[in-house]
Amino acid sequence: ELKVEQNPLFLSMQEGKNYTIYCNYSTTSDRLYWYRQDPGKSLESLFVLLSNGAVKQEGRLMASLDTKARLSTLHITAAVHDLSATYFCAVEDSNYQLIWGAGTKLIIKP
Amino acid sequence: NAGVTQTPKFRVLKTGQSMTLLCAQDMNHEYMYWYRQDPGMGLRLIHYSVGEGTTAKGEVPDGYNVSRLKKQNFLLGLESAAPSQTSVYFCASSLGGLDEQYFGPGTRLTVT
Repeated sequence: ELKVEQNPLFLSMQEGKNYTIYCNYSTTSDRLYWYRQDPGKSLESLFVLLSNGAVKQEGRLMASLDTKARLSTLHITAAVHDLSATYFCAVEDSNYQLIWGAGTKLIIKP
Repeated sequence: NAGVTQTPKFRVLKTGQSMTLLCAQDMNHEYMYWYRQDPGMGLRLIHYSVGEGTTAKGEVPDGYNVSRLKKQNFLLGLESAAPSQTSVYFCASSLGGLDEQYFGPGTRLTVT
């Protein structure tokens, strides 16, 4: 059974700093997704990572996937307040269903 | 394009009552999904559909039924609501099974 763990679950940081959110999963998968959720809102797709070594960047966010280590990272560069949200990773299982991490709540203080 | 819409946005039910949540998408997507989101947890898949007239069980299907009579609509039914079904329900759709999913705004359901 595929399990997905995110670390940390809560992160409070200052604007301008860099940080990384980690997503580990327990069984082989070649497809991983990152989503963002603002408080009380829906989920928005950020990145789709389709293969080992995949790296995608959008603005101050960069995501990477290492399928051998079963690890994805979401790196935030020079954080700004607008990036405050909860970030979820989701991994495709053998039944082509998404298994979700518990989310990382990110608070960026001015 | 409205994207994915859900009705209602909020609902309070008493234990044992029934209700149907409606999801509609205007993106001509084949795949549609129903998830529930509980505090401190990721989303859990309830049921999904790979096309009009088809449905399949997800991770937590018990106590729910679904129907996909039209490609653009996916209905989630609770026949006899229980307090354990208090949650936020999200509908999503995708073009194919491996594509990114687009989410609706959610329905907050409370069962007392």
